[in-house]
Amino acid sequence: DSGVTQTPKHLITATGQRVTLRCSPRSGDLSVYWYQQSLDQGLQFLIQYYNGEERAKGNILERFSAQQFPDLHSELNLSSLELGDSALYFCASSDTRGEQYFGPGTRLTVT
Amino acid sequence: AQSVAQPEDQVNVAEGNPLTVKCTYSVSGNPYLFWYVQYPNRGLQFLLKYITGDNLVKGSYGFEAEFNKSQTSFHLKKPSALVSDSALYFCAVRDMRGRDDKIIFGKGTRLHILP
Repeated sequence: DSGVTQTPKHLITATGQRVTLRCSPRSGDLSVYWYQQSLDQGLQFLIQYYNGEERAKGNILERFSAQQFPDLHSELNLSSLELGDSALYFCASSDTRGEQYFGPGTRLTVT
Repeated sequence: AQSVAQPEDQVNVAEGNPLTVKCTYSVSGNPYLFWYVQYPNRGLQFLLKYITGDNLVKGSYGFEAEFNKSQTSFHLKKPSALVSDSALYFCAVRDMRGRDDKIIFGKGTRLHILP
């Protein structure tokens, strides 16, 4: 158990809908990262937050957004969903040493 | 830009044999390298990291990795493979440029240990 929690574990929704994925980092970790893992694209870095502020952006679509709250939990919002958004979404948190600890992931299926 | 490459999509090894999963890196400055493992339907787990010091880094589950500066490689190794080592392995590099602090992952290598 990494100490990072993600909810929900599974999510099935229709095209055009909007969903919110939630992540709670390990106790004491200030950084939260979001990744998308699909069969054809591999593991793609989406976005990083550090202590409530956006720190780095990767291959995140404009339809996607994220935020980190004062209690350090983070949410990833995915809107106008398309079939191609079906993937595993991972959250990770890290301390100052840079090692990232991954949550179990949310499996999103868009039908 | 910082990057890592994993040249093999899949590696097959017989149980009990030594295994190697290859990784090469391209970085500006000193490399800060990682190996992660992903078991089916699970998140990634940290195996080991190299920052400075000994070129042979020991990690979890009996794995080790050899840092080779001249060959810009960071191959993952284990002397005797177990069937339970079958998983997806990711090499990664820490990218700390400006305010950025993120990890760039390779595309992954699927390791099959044959009983």
